[in-house]
Amino acid sequence: GQLVESGGGLVRPGGSLRLSCAASGMTFSSYSMNWVRQAPGKGLEWISYISSGSSTIYYADSVKGRFTISRDNANNSLSLQMNSLRAEDTAVYYCVRDAVVRGLFEYWGQGVLVTVSS
Amino acid sequence: DIQMTQSPSSLSASVGDRVTITCQASQDISNYLNWYQQKPGKAPKLLIYDASNLETGVPSRFSGGGSGTDFTFTISSLQPEDIATYYCQQYNNPSITFGQGTRLEIK
Repeated sequence: GQLVESGGGLVRPGGSLRLSCAASGMTFSSYSMNWVRQAPGKGLEWISYISSGSSTIYYADSVKGRFTISRDNANNSLSLQMNSLRAEDTAVYYCVRDAVVRGLFEYWGQGVLVTVSS
Repeated sequence: DIQMTQSPSSLSASVGDRVTITCQASQDISNYLNWYQQKPGKAPKLLIYDASNLETGVPSRFSGGGSGTDFTFTISSLQPEDIATYYCQQYNNPSITFGQGTRLEIK
């Protein structure tokens, strides 16, 4: 399986950005998905989860109310809509597939860099 | 949120050494604990799941143990390709959290 993120770039504080993740080589609709980010030189931070059928969604407190996760199983894609961006949102964002059990991060994309700066 | 405390934050060891990293959870997480390896510029890779189970294809020199709040990750004989940062991660509740990472270097 493969996960490929896109949509990163430079955005001003308060701006918006939409990340996408294209899945291939897997039955995408069978698995729950996550976004995990990593600020430059820092550790890993889980930020959002969506179940296989989109019925269950979770967010970390750091992004709740600003970010929205969604998926399109027909097109094997995952998205993250990021609004009201802050400097502390600057990070590499990874699209991550769970194993059969939620919380086992089995497949990772290569990551996409989001930079929030004026 | 459950806090995960890893130690040490960095470690220097020689090829062939036995290396152990510890991870402590702020509350009981049973065995809902995974370990990841991240090499520079790369995405993390799952090594150990459910505290002690080796992911398919991962060399047997890697192992994990523990339950409840205290966990260990061990490399039995350090190899040059093991240079990386290692993270523990709990998934006992909806808000998943990682340890701060342990950077492993060759002496």
